[in-house]
Amino acid sequence: AQRVTQPEKLLSVFKGAPVELKCNYSYSGSPELFWYVQYSRQRLQLLLRHISRESIKGFTADLNKGETSFHLKKPFAQEEDSAMYYCALKSGGTSYGKLTFGQGTILTVHP
Amino acid sequence: SQTIHQWPATLVQPVGSPLSLECTVEGTSNPNLYWYRQAAGRGLQLLFYSVGIGQISSEVPQNLSASRPQDRQFILSSKKLLLSDSGFYLCAWSVRTGTSPLHFGNGTRLTVT
Repeated sequence: AQRVTQPEKLLSVFKGAPVELKCNYSYSGSPELFWYVQYSRQRLQLLLRHISRESIKGFTADLNKGETSFHLKKPFAQEEDSAMYYCALKSGGTSYGKLTFGQGTILTVHP
Repeated sequence: SQTIHQWPATLVQPVGSPLSLECTVEGTSNPNLYWYRQAAGRGLQLLFYSVGIGQISSEVPQNLSASRPQDRQFILSSKKLLLSDSGFYLCAWSVRTGTSPLHFGNGTRLTVT
């Protein structure tokens, strides 16, 4: 069975500091991984996905199959990055959007 | 553009009472639909998903059920609520094919007293 672990429930950094939100997964097949974000008073929404290999709002995430990790990184955090972040895994081989989510990390960026 | 509506936003119900949460999607056809729950201190857990009218798959055994009477309508129900049913319920949709992201509703905060 697949599992997603986000070891940090809370993460605090100062503006301008680098930030890394950790995500580890357990899955025997070929995973698809995502980061979702929920800003205050907004809906949960997709931030980025590993297959796109894109940078969104300065965030990047690299899939490391050897370490089974998909950590989210940003070199210089901004106050507007404060939000709840969820790492999610989609089982390969289906067209459904069934995702397994981690417990989430609340990021607070202090001025 | 596509929109998803979920209601009510908050709900307080006594133990043993019935439950009905509704979710509708606009601006798309044949979506996949999902119900997720976030219990206190836990991540989002998939409860049900549906790939078409009347087609419901349950991910975890529980006191809840789901129905899809129309293409863009998804309902979460219970005949008798338990205290453990308290949580934050999210409806979501995705397009039928490909690696589509999930689009979430605003959620319903359910408190069972």
